[in-house]
Amino acid sequence: QKEVEQNSGPLSVPEGAIASLNCTYSDRGSQSFFWYRQYSGKSPELIMSIYSNGDKEDGRFTAQLNKASQYVSLLIRDSQPSDSATYLCAVMVTAGGTSYGKLTFGQGTILTVHP
Amino acid sequence: SAVISQKPSRDICQRGTSLTIQCQVDSQVTMMFWYRQQPGQSLTLIATANQGSEATYESGFVIDKFPISRPNLTFSTLTVSNMSPEDSSIYLCSVWDGLNTFGSGTRLTVV
Repeated sequence: QKEVEQNSGPLSVPEGAIASLNCTYSDRGSQSFFWYRQYSGKSPELIMSIYSNGDKEDGRFTAQLNKASQYVSLLIRDSQPSDSATYLCAVMVTAGGTSYGKLTFGQGTILTVHP
Repeated sequence: SAVISQKPSRDICQRGTSLTIQCQVDSQVTMMFWYRQQPGQSLTLIATANQGSEATYESGFVIDKFPISRPNLTFSTLTVSNMSPEDSSIYLCSVWDGLNTFGSGTRLTVV
């Protein structure tokens, strides 16, 4: 079983729609959760971080975390063609403070927003 | 957040040779890491670059293949040794300063 698993893509949505990206993780010691966006040929760019159960909103992006279900998601509202990229879910176990910065990534979901 | 300069940005190398990748940060950071992204794949942590001591490698990665130096809190190098085509990947430096920031990456092709 993969440690971090994302819903298989690619995902295609029309412009203006809501894109929903999902991620599950296996390590219950995971404390910090991140969503990165990666354009082709570029390095990952952090778009959201979430640490507590519930929702966190930032502009058109909403991250949702459910630690009991070991599930984290990213919603992109009013999707734009510029949102077309690979979205990477990343998890960090910070037990004891020795793992800060050590991320385990999911395989990524390719999102295409078509006009 | 920290600004990272990574070089070279890309290289094409002959099998059996070695390549050293440099990562320079604009501020002192405690935690520095090297990741690999194989073609069409996600990122995998290679090792934590420790200042003043040997790097800490993740399962599947060894020092002989990926020697790492960290002479100070702003600089690190990763060497990919005795390369084979399977080493063709993007190698990324990352620092932790409350959040992870990634360098622009080195795209390595081994022929």
